[in-house]
Amino acid sequence: DVKVTQSSRYLVKRTGEKVFLECVQDMDHENMFWYRQDPGLGLRLIYFSYDVKMKEKGDIPEGYSVSREKKERFSLILESASTNQTSMYLCASTPGGRSGYTFGSGTRLTVV
Amino acid sequence: AQKITQTQPGMFVQEKEAVTLDCTYDTSDQSYGLFWYKQPSSGEMIFLIYQGSYDEQNATEGRYSLNFQKARKSANLVISASQLGDSAMYFCAMRERYGRANFGNEKLTFGTGTRLTIIP
Repeated sequence: DVKVTQSSRYLVKRTGEKVFLECVQDMDHENMFWYRQDPGLGLRLIYFSYDVKMKEKGDIPEGYSVSREKKERFSLILESASTNQTSMYLCASTPGGRSGYTFGSGTRLTVV
Repeated sequence: AQKITQTQPGMFVQEKEAVTLDCTYDTSDQSYGLFWYKQPSSGEMIFLIYQGSYDEQNATEGRYSLNFQKARKSANLVISASQLGDSAMYFCAMRERYGRANFGNEKLTFGTGTRLTIIP
């Protein structure tokens, strides 16, 4: 069964900390994505990547960065966590075309 | 401007009735795709149905069908004979190419979702 795995289900961090959210997929997909989900706002795209070492800004990249050193792993980095980054973070991957996107189970991050 | 608009924040539907969830989109691309996802209270994102912009027929998957009206830029999800297990958030999303057309690069943009509650 194909999988997208996010390293943590729940995370609590302090303001100003550097936070790493990890995502690993086992499907050899080129495209990987990071979204945040907030009530009433749906899923908003933070960053995405279509190849190793490639990254593109999504709709809300401010305060975030990403790293993709290997095809299967896409990391989201909060350089200095702030309370307004408290959210559910979802990782997804797809081979593209008509194929659906496979999502991880999400990381609920709370910044205190 | 919103790329994907879902105008129904919440809906209540009697069990066994059909339900239509609205979705309109905005794009200048000729090649794009539309998805519907279901998110139950557990939080997982479940892929329901896909419609390509060049598909001539409306997509169907079991009790789900997509009412695709290209000229109106709408892609409504129809659930026939609703069940209690259909209670969830439903998201419409659009896949667009990104960068050079020959590459498989793409991104998926979501609407704000509709919370569907099925009443026994």
